[in-house]
Amino acid sequence: SQQGEEDPQALSIQEGENATMNCSYKTSINNLQWYRQNSGRGLVHLILIRSNEREKHSGRLRVTLDTSKKSSSLLITASRAADTASYFCATASFSGSARQLTFGSGTQLTVLP
Amino acid sequence: DAGVIQSPRHEVTEMGQEVTLRCKPISGHDYLFWYRQTMMRGLELLIYFNNNVPIDDSGMPEDRFSAKMPNASFSTLKIQPSEPRDSAVYFCASSWGLGEKLFFGSGTQLSVL
Repeated sequence: SQQGEEDPQALSIQEGENATMNCSYKTSINNLQWYRQNSGRGLVHLILIRSNEREKHSGRLRVTLDTSKKSSSLLITASRAADTASYFCATASFSGSARQLTFGSGTQLTVLP
Repeated sequence: DAGVIQSPRHEVTEMGQEVTLRCKPISGHDYLFWYRQTMMRGLELLIYFNNNVPIDDSGMPEDRFSAKMPNASFSTLKIQPSEPRDSAVYFCASSWGLGEKLFFGSGTQLSVL
């Protein structure tokens, strides 16, 4: 079963606009990660935020984490056509029988030139 | 480092045939993961290894699936006999720590006719 669920499933924006994707999860986590997947390629790690962190930045990416709401958001500012891809959140839990890095179903982002 | 290397890139086979997928992780990474990606089920963890030892294979769908890691630089995922429902993209990923950033290979697109 999937731990993280992204919202929306698909997002289409104009180049230059900001894109926001959300991820909700069900159990406690040690960290949450965001990955990008271009069509026909493997996943590429974007950013990792630990459970004791609330916000993290990397270039045009901003990730927030709210452990009380069990949710995270990924903001891509000033989007470019090259940002077109699927974006996945993945949660890492070390407790019980939880598996390593359970991935959500992804958000398909399309940035129109 | 060349990253995680998977072969073959594409595999087309007939039902009942044996399929072997190969993976070379990044040197120095102690963890190796096999994932399967389909439209219906998303990205699923099949099995992972730590220092060449299988730790959790609860995601392996059936006895038809087996995975080995004979040394730190090589792993195989075998399906015998293959079935059409095994058609998917199979990814190998490696990491230096549990729950840490994953480095993915380009995947093997498997089609079982």
